[in-house]
Amino acid sequence: QSVLTQPPSASGTPGQRVTISCSGSSSNIGSNYVYWYQQLPGTAPKLLIYRNNQRPSGVPDRFSASKSGTSASLAISGLRSEDEADYYCAAWDDSLNSLFGGGTKLTVL
Amino acid sequence: EVQLLESGGGLVQPGGSLRLSCAASGFNFGAYAMSWVRQAPGKGLEWVSSIGGSGANTYYYADSVKGRFIIPRDHSTNTLYLQMNSLRAEDTAIYYCVKDREWLPRGYFDSWGQGTLVTVSS
Repeated sequence: QSVLTQPPSASGTPGQRVTISCSGSSSNIGSNYVYWYQQLPGTAPKLLIYRNNQRPSGVPDRFSASKSGTSASLAISGLRSEDEADYYCAAWDDSLNSLFGGGTKLTVL
Repeated sequence: EVQLLESGGGLVQPGGSLRLSCAASGFNFGAYAMSWVRQAPGKGLEWVSSIGGSGANTYYYADSVKGRFIIPRDHSTNTLYLQMNSLRAEDTAIYYCVKDREWLPRGYFDSWGQGTLVTVSS
């Protein structure tokens, strides 16, 4: 069981807005940056969001994220079929470990 | 362009050892921390270990591998390694070589290799 808690699945129709939550604690999300990774089927993960809400170059602005206290969330607006993937939140923990959430499988209906 | 090329995966018996390599190119290797992250078949991501950049002298390990795995790096050849000893069935996974964005490990993984599969089975 992961220290960072995500819903195992999420879904939406094309054009919709979906959100994925990530819950942690004061020693990880509460005191360190949150990162989000996207893993398309059969590929390696890719950095999607860094330092809570920043997008690397090349990531569409349809992807946004926020953090509040010990929780974080990823939002995808204007959902597209190519967004179907697994999404992971991650954060450094003060115990000197890097933590990942269990992952959320996003299905575009 | 950052490139991370893993090698060394394969089939190993329980209790055996294996050394993974990651050839890095396209960036100043010594300036960044490096890590290994694994993914068991059909499962999520699990951080394994991180090492700081040149001169940092920092090494971190997940509890699940502490005392069994070692993460050295060779700055002369821009290569990251993962020495895995006393392997168990639960170590079976794809192992990804990952570049951190900072000199000290902080989980800011901005580039990932394609992974190498390790299977621990008799």
